[in-house]
Amino acid sequence: QKEVEQNSGPLSVPEGAIASLNCTYSDRGSQSFFWYRQYSGKSPELIMSIYSNGDKEDGRFTAQLNKASQYVSLLIRDSQPSDSATYLCAVTNSGYSTLTFGKGTMLLVSP
Amino acid sequence: DAGVIQSPRHEVTEMGQEVTLRCKPISGHNSLFWYRQTMMRGLELLIYFNNNVPIDDSGMPEDRFSAKMPNASFSTLKIQPSEPRDSAVYFCASSPLYSTGFEQYFGPGTRLTVT
Repeated sequence: QKEVEQNSGPLSVPEGAIASLNCTYSDRGSQSFFWYRQYSGKSPELIMSIYSNGDKEDGRFTAQLNKASQYVSLLIRDSQPSDSATYLCAVTNSGYSTLTFGKGTMLLVSP
Repeated sequence: DAGVIQSPRHEVTEMGQEVTLRCKPISGHNSLFWYRQTMMRGLELLIYFNNNVPIDDSGMPEDRFSAKMPNASFSTLKIQPSEPRDSAVYFCASSPLYSTGFEQYFGPGTRLTVT
């Protein structure tokens, strides 16, 4: 059973701080990694994708990938209350074009 | 450009009734996915279509669930008969299926309540 593990949280950070969200996965054949943001009552929204080891930056978001450790992370700099949401980590299944999702980490950014 | 469209947005039905959920993927996307989301189990893949052909239906919980994709712009997920444990949010997602990335774009979901 392919698994994607995330701390359910909530992760609470003050406005302006860096939020660090982590994810581990079990399938060593996974090649593509995604972070989705889901506001309460809404659908998941793709915010970051990463395919190779290292860091990928997009605005206030940085995704980090370490395939040897089977670890993906998302850093949110200068966190805003509007970043309060559940963040889902998703990983492709080897040999397939499907995704396995973690259960998500709830982030709360306080003003 | 319109995103993934799902209907209805909310459905309340009684146990034993048939439920049909509908999805229109993003134009040009050739893969379509049906997911179910609950607090307990998170987001689970039910079935996946590529070029209108079902590729993997191993996530369909039981024979009460069926899905079709008669053409590239329409898919249905049917539950017959429905049971209270089917209550969940059902999402449809589509993907352009690039060679290296498999980004999926989600519709707004259908919140199903079976009483």
